[in-house]
Amino acid sequence: AQSVTQLGSHVSVSEGALVLLRCNYSSSVPPYLFWYVQYPNQGLQLLLKYTSAATLVKGINGFEAEFKKSETSFHLTKPSAHMSDAAEYFCAVSDLRTGGFKTIFGAGTRLFVKA
Amino acid sequence: GAVVSQHPSWVICKSGTSVKIECRSLDFQATTMFWYRQFPKQSLMLMATSNEGSKATYEQGVEKDKFLINHASLTLSTLTVTSAHPEDSSFYICSASGPGTYNEQFFGPGTRLTVL
Repeated sequence: AQSVTQLGSHVSVSEGALVLLRCNYSSSVPPYLFWYVQYPNQGLQLLLKYTSAATLVKGINGFEAEFKKSETSFHLTKPSAHMSDAAEYFCAVSDLRTGGFKTIFGAGTRLFVKA
Repeated sequence: GAVVSQHPSWVICKSGTSVKIECRSLDFQATTMFWYRQFPKQSLMLMATSNEGSKATYEQGVEKDKFLINHASLTLSTLTVTSAHPEDSSFYICSASGPGTYNEQFFGPGTRLTVL
């Protein structure tokens, strides 16, 4: 069975500071990994995804994540936080099942950005 | 990217009534659609997976007679909450994937259901 653990339900950073949101996964097969962002009362927007190509994945809005198999991690980073980055972030892992695929979401991390 | 819409964006209904939520893929063929439920400040919980033209597969603990899912075409899936009660109040989000989306789901904007 697959699972995702996001360390820290809340993360607070100052504007301009490094953003680091942690995600660890477990999977019995090579995983597909995703980071999504959700703004209040909206759906999810894909930030980036890992699908077994390059281990360092660059996404939108300056975010990137590195797949580390030895650590079973897929942490999300951004060098310099903006106020507009304040949102809920979800890490997700996907496997391939007969007839489709199932995505498991982490509990989410709310990012606060202080001026 | 692919666009998924949901209608309505919010709905308020009386206890005991049924509510239908539509999920549409606007510019791609969605062979698979997913329905999620999200409680305030919590993660998404997968309710069911539907493949076009076949019955939905429900996750454990989700009442199939309570949450009716129909995926009759490659662009439309509906979720009907039957005999809604206040505990059904939640944020419902659909997502869709299709040929060439490479394990990526495209999410709708969500529907806020409030049952009085």
